Amino acid sequence: DQQVKQNSPSLSVQEGRISILNCDYTNSMFDYFLWYKKYPAEGPTFLISISSIKDKNEDGRFTVFLNKSAKHLSLHIVPSQPGDSAVYFCAARHSSNTGKLIFGQGTTLQVKP
Amino acid sequence: DADVTQTPRNRITKTGKRIMLECSQTKGHDRMYWYRQDPGLGLRLIYYSFDVKDINKGEISDGYSVSRQAQAKFSLSLESAIPNQTALYFCATSDSTSGDYEQYFGPGTRLTVT
Repeated sequence: DQQVKQNSPSLSVQEGRISILNCDYTNSMFDYFLWYKKYPAEGPTFLISISSIKDKNEDGRFTVFLNKSAKHLSLHIVPSQPGDSAVYFCAARHSSNTGKLIFGQGTTLQVKP
Repeated sequence: DADVTQTPRNRITKTGKRIMLECSQTKGHDRMYWYRQDPGLGLRLIYYSFDVKDINKGEISDGYSVSRQAQAKFSLSLESAIPNQTALYFCATSDSTSGDYEQYFGPGTRLTVT
């Protein structure tokens, strides 16, 4: 039972354009969401997060949107750069405060020069 | 120096062998985690530890065991390795007092079981 789903395994965009990565979840008790980026031969690194009490969080070129009614979040990267090419994971935390995160399957983003 | 280190970085072993993967951290975090990454399955939690005396199974703990030797060290053992344990393994840490739920990952260990 995949509680956090990233249905697009890969995405390819042109440099300078917008990249939109999507994530769906099934558990309404998730209250905090994070995006991680992973380069080959490295561990995932934190990118941006959002609490369930918000619907948007912005950090430079990265913006995360949360639609709680649809149980959907998205990561927007504008403008996309070749260095953004990586695997992106979304993750969710349950409100029971266990500290555990549930990760999606990941989306591989390729930004073409 | 990296805050979360994993050894070895790569390992090839044979079916039935016992193997240990080690994780050390200098971040002073109390919580530590072991994940495995498989293509198309993302990161799945194997075991987690909220302090030295608190160890819990994750969603895929069968075939694995762990030891939290100190706050800074958390090791993962495969008692009798099998080919479907071939994967990329990550250790992660977090700080229960930070309030941001962020986990910090090591560089990973690529394990191949033949």
